[in-house]
Amino acid sequence: KNQVEQSPQSLIILEGKNCTLQCNYTVSPFSNLRWYKQDTGRGPVSLTIMTFSENTKSNGRYTATLDADTKQSSLHITASQLSDSASYICVVSRMDSSYKLIFGSGTRLLVRP
Amino acid sequence: NAGVMQNPRHLVRRRGQEARLRCSPMKGHSHVYWYRQLPEEGLKFMVYLQKENIIDESGMPKERFSAEFPKEGPSILRIQQVVRGDSAAYFCASSAAGEGIQYFGAGTRLSVL
Repeated sequence: KNQVEQSPQSLIILEGKNCTLQCNYTVSPFSNLRWYKQDTGRGPVSLTIMTFSENTKSNGRYTATLDADTKQSSLHITASQLSDSASYICVVSRMDSSYKLIFGSGTRLLVRP
Repeated sequence: NAGVMQNPRHLVRRRGQEARLRCSPMKGHSHVYWYRQLPEEGLKFMVYLQKENIIDESGMPKERFSAEFPKEGPSILRIQQVVRGDSAAYFCASSAAGEGIQYFGAGTRLSVL
């Protein structure tokens, strides 16, 4: 079954600290993996997108990694800011229907001052 | 520089009524996707449309739900005879190509009383 599992479910960190969010997937055949940020009451916003051949991709203070062999990805946030408080969602798509995004349930991050 | 526009943002319906959700894609985008997010769950794919064509409706419930993307005007997700279980956030996304980055609207939150 095509699934995307994320951990932790929620996380609280202090402003300025780093954190790493995890994603495991069983989607096959794999096409690409995306990380989205979703603020409360808003739609998801794309942070990174990686294909099979890419191991890491950065977008400012966000760095995503991908291990296609173990089907794991992580999102590392450096020097967190209050505005980073949001849900971070791992999204995977299949090669035969790459438009059909398969969403994880997200990790809810709260950054405290 | 409008992004994906969804309206209404909030919609309240009584059981048995009809709900119409509208989505205007980003300028230049001709691919539209609808997703549903139940409380505490990840987004689930419903349907993929291009102008005047339904490409993939494999995520749509078999009854009461329909979607269209006419030549002129927004895409419409229509839910007939709503039930309490239809209460959810409905997100629309658009892309310039079928495999491109999907940009999401802010969603319509449907509450069925």
